[in-house]
Amino acid sequence: NAGVTQTPKFQVLKTGQSMTLQCAQDMNHNSMYWYRQDPGMGLRLIYYSASEGTTDKGEVPNGYNVSRLNKREFSLRLESAAPSQTSVYFCASSKRLAGTEQFFGPGTRLTVL
Amino acid sequence: DAKTTQPNSMESNEEEPVHLPCNHSTISGTDYIHWYRQLPSQGPEYVIHGLTSNVNNRMASLAIAEDRKSSTLILHRATLRDAAVYYCILLFNYGQNFVFGPGTRLSVLP
Repeated sequence: NAGVTQTPKFQVLKTGQSMTLQCAQDMNHNSMYWYRQDPGMGLRLIYYSASEGTTDKGEVPNGYNVSRLNKREFSLRLESAAPSQTSVYFCASSKRLAGTEQFFGPGTRLTVL
Repeated sequence: DAKTTQPNSMESNEEEPVHLPCNHSTISGTDYIHWYRQLPSQGPEYVIHGLTSNVNNRMASLAIAEDRKSSTLILHRATLRDAAVYYCILLFNYGQNFVFGPGTRLSVLP
């Protein structure tokens, strides 16, 4: 039982390049989330998916797209990376929205040059 | 949007109780109060959550004020492994707008 897994662990991009961050959970959770954490700051919600087939914007969605591929997988895409997107990205999942525990992955450290 | 305020940092001695406060004066009736902690270079870890009544689990206790405008996370006996940033979060509007503040950095002294 791996919980929430994220790939890659580290990534360096040049401005304008694109990439997809992958996230998978094996806990049969309905809801999944993408957060970013800038140095010394708390987490900010980028997008979330309440259940398979739905996605919604969070606090900071600009510059990102998401896909809920199936119940297990939720990917985050940067179409044209910018230095302002340098951050640590965390994926999380929970049984349902609100009132339930969120389980977090280990994070992806992204640097955009 | 409802927000929380926490002290930037706190210190505790090992094996002593720690009370971490959180103010959420604009909380609404459907907001759950969640606490998470984040150890260095790791993702956040769930600690405890509640709605109206005080809650206990193996990690901590959560004391919620009667008017729900504040809450306190209680670690009964701090250990060095409890040194982390602790976040008090309101999950409101049935999951929309999750907001993590900067949290409280807890240092535990041996």
